Amino acid sequence: GAVVSQHPSWVICKSGTSVKIECRSLDFQATTMFWYRQFPKQSLMLMATSNEGSKATYEQGVEKDKFLINHASLTLSTLTVTSAHPEDSSFYICSARNTGGLINEQFFGPGTRLTVL
Amino acid sequence: AQSVAQPEDQVNVAEGNPLTVKCTYSVSGNPYLFWYVQYPNRGLQFLLKYITGDNLVKGSYGFEAEFNKSQTSFHLKKPSALVSDSALYFCAVRDKGTYKYIFGTGTRLKVLA
Repeated sequence: GAVVSQHPSWVICKSGTSVKIECRSLDFQATTMFWYRQFPKQSLMLMATSNEGSKATYEQGVEKDKFLINHASLTLSTLTVTSAHPEDSSFYICSARNTGGLINEQFFGPGTRLTVL
Repeated sequence: AQSVAQPEDQVNVAEGNPLTVKCTYSVSGNPYLFWYVQYPNRGLQFLLKYITGDNLVKGSYGFEAEFNKSQTSFHLKKPSALVSDSALYFCAVRDKGTYKYIFGTGTRLKVLA
């Protein structure tokens, strides 16, 4: 099946620094990718929709200046957490929509655990 | 607005017994429904989906789910639970136009040996 990777799988950073998380579709093109956030023992909450070649669409309550999303190619979207604070510590999961071929499906990455000290 | 409810935070079942994880939904029109499983510190693994057709959907690892339109439910089932099935299970509905997922709060399944 289709594979979506995330890098890094985990990251620890100091408060005030910025962290970039990559989401890649390894064997298909994804014009649309989604970024989710999951707090401990909670569900996934959609943060934003990343569209290749255009600006991301953010869900209500998500700060676009804090969570910068870039979808530079059909296989790569990045989420940058700017000026990270401890409350940004979370599990971030991306998904990529396979718009090509016969199957129009969506696949999830393995997630990135961010810990801000 | 679309929503999904998983009424149980945790379900305990003995190994070898049948298991059911409940999910109800609220959508306008015909729903696209999904079940995913998540192991600790891992992403989501697809189990099964209902788009249209037969109300009984068979998925990965012996799981199945029954779409019940009158009860607006999509319960996940397995005839014989394994200890390795212990994980966090999410029910979700996907918006047909935007492809966004709306997830339930998750149900932790614990299969006891």
